[in-house]
Amino acid sequence: DVKVTQSSRYLVKRTGEKVFLECVQDMDHENMFWYRQDPGLGLRLIYFSYDVKMKEKGDIPEGYSVSREKKERFSLILESASTNQTSMYLCASRPGRVTTEAFFGQGTRLTVV
Amino acid sequence: GDSVTQMEGPVTLSEEAFLTINCTYTATGYPSLFWYVQYPGEGLQLLLKATKADDKGSNKGFEATYRKETTSFHLEKGSVQVSDSAVYFCALIQGAQKLVFGQGTRLTINP
Repeated sequence: DVKVTQSSRYLVKRTGEKVFLECVQDMDHENMFWYRQDPGLGLRLIYFSYDVKMKEKGDIPEGYSVSREKKERFSLILESASTNQTSMYLCASRPGRVTTEAFFGQGTRLTVV
Repeated sequence: GDSVTQMEGPVTLSEEAFLTINCTYTATGYPSLFWYVQYPGEGLQLLLKATKADDKGSNKGFEATYRKETTSFHLEKGSVQVSDSAVYFCALIQGAQKLVFGQGTRLTINP
């Protein structure tokens, strides 16, 4: 089975802190994604990566950055956390073929206080 | 750009009722279509998929048919159970290889 693992289920951080959310997949997938999920807004794409060291902005990249130094790991970075970044964050990966679904991690619920 | 529209929620049904959750899409090409389910406190799981027109995806009693003429992929189940309570997301993918999601529909099944 494909496994996408996010480093934390729950995180509480203070305003202004630098926050790292880590995601690892074990199926050699080319593409990896970070979404945030908020009530009434569904899933919104923050960043995605289609290869090592490659990244593209999604729909809401402001306040975030990403890092993909190895194929299996995709990190989301909040340079200076703010309360409006309190949300559920979901990582996903998929092979680089059009018709294939994405596989999701269990999610990280981040609270910024 | 590509987009997905789902019926507004929340939806509340009694056990053994018939379920339909509507999903329509806008895309310039020939996307693949998916339904994902999210149980409380968990990530998203693939429920079913269809990759071309007239394909029917099915899993766990749920079905959806890819209708190109109406650009729809409605989710149906003949008899829902309490354990089907979850949030359901319709999604598509093509070209740029990023999934585009609908806003999600929260389903609650009462015993």
